[in-house]
Amino acid sequence: GENVEQHPSTLSVQEGDSAVIKCTYSDSASNYFPWYKQELGKRPQLIIDIRSNVGEKKDQRIAVTLNKTAKHFSLHITETQPEDSAVYFCAASIETSYDKVIFGPGTSLSVIP
Amino acid sequence: DTEVTQTPKHLVMGMTNKKSLKCEQHMGHRAMYWYKQKAKKPPELMFVYSYEKLSINESVPSRFSPECPNSSLLNLHLHALQPEDSALYLCASSREQGGLQPQHFGDGTRLSIL
Repeated sequence: GENVEQHPSTLSVQEGDSAVIKCTYSDSASNYFPWYKQELGKRPQLIIDIRSNVGEKKDQRIAVTLNKTAKHFSLHITETQPEDSAVYFCAASIETSYDKVIFGPGTSLSVIP
Repeated sequence: DTEVTQTPKHLVMGMTNKKSLKCEQHMGHRAMYWYKQKAKKPPELMFVYSYEKLSINESVPSRFSPECPNSSLLNLHLHALQPEDSALYLCASSREQGGLQPQHFGDGTRLSIL
């Protein structure tokens, strides 16, 4: 089955700097890659997603890149702000009717003011 | 606004109690999910319902019993739980079950077993 790895497990950056979180997946059939942000005590929230027919997607300060050949994808946050502090989970899934989303172990991001 | 509503927000129960967790969504989604989440860990899938039918059971112990009364509601019935079952229980929904559908999560029920 699919396995998703995520690095680093913790990340501290100064406010205004960029943050990068990297994930790898094992199943080459995976074709949908969402990213979730979970603030302390709150629900996971989808912040951006990418499908395998796209190499990069951007939404304001957040961007995701996908390298299908290497089976890895990354989240880039620019101009980080304290409110970006949270746990970020990458995930992978396959477009079949009965498949499920496999989450990475998470990255705890701290943005230091 | 939370589009997936879960009740209660907090629940403390003894190992012999019976309780239920409830989840509701009005987005017309036809897939609904139960996840268990321990602190600083990713959500762990328990059950998936697709069109009100149980689609996936991730070998969850029978002390957890899911129910989908209609397309908007999802329940999780709890009985004879163990202390290790203490966790955040998240409900999620998506338009359809399938790999390209983003899941929308509720705020969860924080469950403590005494």
